[in-house]
Amino acid sequence: SQTIHQWPATLVQPVGSPLSLECTVEGTSNPNLYWYRQAAGRGLQLLFYSVGIGQISSEVPQNLSASRPQDRQFILSSKKLLLSDSGFYLCAWTQVGGSPLHFGNGTRLTVT
Amino acid sequence: DQQVKQNSPSLSVQEGRISILNCDYTNSMFDYFLWYKKYPAEGPTFLISISSIKDKNEDGRFTVFLNKSAKHLSLHIVPSQPGDSAVYFCAASAYPSNTGKLIFGQGTTLQVKP
Repeated sequence: SQTIHQWPATLVQPVGSPLSLECTVEGTSNPNLYWYRQAAGRGLQLLFYSVGIGQISSEVPQNLSASRPQDRQFILSSKKLLLSDSGFYLCAWTQVGGSPLHFGNGTRLTVT
Repeated sequence: DQQVKQNSPSLSVQEGRISILNCDYTNSMFDYFLWYKKYPAEGPTFLISISSIKDKNEDGRFTVFLNKSAKHLSLHIVPSQPGDSAVYFCAASAYPSNTGKLIFGQGTTLQVKP
């Protein structure tokens, strides 16, 4: 069966510091990968998605970037965090050809 | 511009009764709708989905209804159980080839009282 791993579970970072969140999927190949964010009291917003290695689509302008160095690895990064980057970050995947989106357990990021 | 709206932030029902969660959308290009359930500090879990060519889909205690003319969908949980207490998100997609590209509502917190 397929599983998705996301770490760390919680992170507290000062303003201006870098960020790297990692996500890996097991039990499938060539998945579509996604980064979503849930800000406090809001719904989930799509940040980035990737349909293959090195292929990244950005959905909203922001202080973040994403990379996909391997088929089942997806990384969310920032060079300098802002207070507004605080939120709950979720990695997710689907099978190519259509399937429901499946989420990891998320990372709670607090920028202080 | 909020394309998917869940106008009820919270809902409280008694165990054994029906829970009805509602969702409205504005984009007529949406053709695939989903409901997710989320517990605190966890990622959302897929519950049930419906294609725009259907008006009803049922899976055990969960039924999703779609009214395309009203641009409205609802999730019925019968009977409700205390373990159903969670935040429920509806989501919609206009991309058949990219079903992970979703627009989510703000969520409704369901509390099922024993």
